Amino acid sequence: AQSVAQPEDQVNVAEGNPLTVKCTYSVSGNPYLFWYVQYPNRGLQFLLKYITGDNLVKGSYGFEAEFNKSQTSFHLKKPSALVSDSALYFCAVRPYNTDKLIFGTGTRLQVFP
Amino acid sequence: NAGVTQTPKFQVLKTGQSMTLQCAQDMNHNSMYWYRQDPGMGLRLIYYSASEGTTDKGEVPNGYNVSRLNKREFSLRLESAAPSQTSVYFCASSVGPSYNEQFFGPGTRLTVL
Repeated sequence: AQSVAQPEDQVNVAEGNPLTVKCTYSVSGNPYLFWYVQYPNRGLQFLLKYITGDNLVKGSYGFEAEFNKSQTSFHLKKPSALVSDSALYFCAVRPYNTDKLIFGTGTRLQVFP
Repeated sequence: NAGVTQTPKFQVLKTGQSMTLQCAQDMNHNSMYWYRQDPGMGLRLIYYSASEGTTDKGEVPNGYNVSRLNKREFSLRLESAAPSQTSVYFCASSVGPSYNEQFFGPGTRLTVL
């Protein structure tokens, strides 16, 4: 079955420290990969995507993600966390030759001052 | 440019009642989607419409119907609400059903008693 896993329900990090939110996927063919962020009582906002090309993609608000085909991972990273980055983060994958996104269960990021 | 709008924001229903959730986008997008978000389960696709005049089932379509009224509007109907349909519902749209990111509305919080 095609799926996306976010193994951590919550990630805690101190402001100024680097952060990583993990995502692994299991799909056939070459996937399209996405990260979204959700602030309280809001809809999801697009952060970045990997379609093809350079394995390191840069997105909004200083976030970046690295596509690793051998490890089937697409971890979200930021060099220096801000308190305002605290939110719920979703990884999503669009399997090859389908129209649908499969979302992970989400990881709550808490950045402490 | 309002993006994706949803009405209502909140709704409480009794078991067996019906209602329609409305969604509209002003970005001239071809594809529209309905998701539900439940704690610990991420977002699950209910129905989607790849283009005006077409609709397809997603992961959890039972108990729901949809109408793609025109290019702008995509409604979700609950014919006979059940407590299991208590959830937050999000509408989204994208330029096309391929590698384009989706834009989300603010959500409708539905409680079925």
